[in-house]
Amino acid sequence: AQSVTQPDIHITVSEGASLELRCNYSYGATPYLFWYVQSPGQGLQLLLKYFSGDTLVQGIKGFEAEFKRSQSSFNLRKPSVHWSDAAEYFCAVGDPAGGNYQLIWGAGTKLIIKP
Amino acid sequence: DTGVSQNPRHKITKRGQNVTFRCDPISEHNRLYWYRQTLGQGPEFLTYFQNEAQLEKSRLLSDRFSAERPKGSFSTLEIQRTEQGDSAMYLCASSLRRGLAGNTDTQYFGPGTRLTVL
Repeated sequence: AQSVTQPDIHITVSEGASLELRCNYSYGATPYLFWYVQSPGQGLQLLLKYFSGDTLVQGIKGFEAEFKRSQSSFNLRKPSVHWSDAAEYFCAVGDPAGGNYQLIWGAGTKLIIKP
Repeated sequence: DTGVSQNPRHKITKRGQNVTFRCDPISEHNRLYWYRQTLGQGPEFLTYFQNEAQLEKSRLLSDRFSAERPKGSFSTLEIQRTEQGDSAMYLCASSLRRGLAGNTDTQYFGPGTRLTVL
């Protein structure tokens, strides 16, 4: 069965510092991969997605993610965080062979920004 | 494009009561999804529609839950005889599935309906 692991429940970084949020998945082939962000009172907003091709994916708000097949990972990065990036971040996978209708989600990583 | 909307945003009910939530997808989207999210967890898939047809239901969707999308536009999720364990955020998403072979559609989410069962 597919699964997604986000090993860090909370991460605290200083404003202006770089950020990396980890995501590992379990799937028999290459899944579709997504990062979403959820702010209090807001819905889930798509940051970026990977279906195929270039393994380094650029997203909105200055985020990028790199798909590494050998490590079954899709880590999210940002070179310099802003206070407005404080939110909860979710990694999700879709099943290309199964029709990509049911996303499987990690438990999320809460990002805290220190001033 | 006004995005996915959900109503109500919050619902407080007593155990045993019935509740109904509504989701309005992005207007041209033919697929609509329901998820449930509890505190500290990622969303869990409940069900989805292609136009008006309900194509898949999770085992999480007990007999007390029913979802409809009668005209292939908005959808409703009803929970009968609510239990305290039903307290959660109910999320709706929509996507545009093009053609029979493509499956790289992306799900866009609404703000959710937070249900509290007392």
